[in-house]
Amino acid sequence: DTEVTQTPKHLVMGMTNKKSLKCEQHMGHRAMYWYKQKAKKPPELMFVYSYEKLSINESVPSRFSPECPNSSLLNLHLHALQPEDSALYLCASSQVPGRPRETQYFGPGTRLLVL
Amino acid sequence: QKEVEQNSGPLSVPEGAIASLNCTYSDRGSQSFFWYRQYSGKSPELIMFIYSNGDKEDGRFTAQLNKASQYVSLLIRDSQPSDSATYLCAGYTGTASKLTFGTGTRLQVTL
Repeated sequence: DTEVTQTPKHLVMGMTNKKSLKCEQHMGHRAMYWYKQKAKKPPELMFVYSYEKLSINESVPSRFSPECPNSSLLNLHLHALQPEDSALYLCASSQVPGRPRETQYFGPGTRLLVL
Repeated sequence: QKEVEQNSGPLSVPEGAIASLNCTYSDRGSQSFFWYRQYSGKSPELIMFIYSNGDKEDGRFTAQLNKASQYVSLLIRDSQPSDSATYLCAGYTGTASKLTFGTGTRLQVTL
């Protein structure tokens, strides 16, 4: 089973709203990732969590705040977003962090629209 | 120079033909490469991974890696209309935790 789940599937929010995206995996993976993908572009890495600790932040604006409450869960808290933040937000996980042969498995994504 | 490069396409092949998708990379230290298929509006789905020089076959798919030429390819035999999608090549370049994606090649399989 290589399932990563994400909720919600779709989210519409105003620029003053606060919302959260949720990602879950039960494969025992110890690395989890957030990516942002704009239309017709490849996924862009935002954050990496290794063993529940933030290991990579790709200079993401502070209006995006990641959280890893436990080894199965990853959240992305959103606050004061801009319309240009509208995108598909993808969560991924892999078994062991930091190994250069690790396969990353993606969840179905959350389609975010900021009005 | 981008770390992982792909021709954006579209690559159009007739049904039943072989589709050949190519990718080059700049980091000579890169060890592993992945091909993901992404349908419009969906998330990337892993098709194949390859670590060693040479060919790796899985059903209708063959991945090829040539580390000397820094070149990765994906062959799809007996292409079907359902293969029409964007194919993303990705590799770990530099930081082992960071998977770098090419821009993707859009494949169209025509009837």
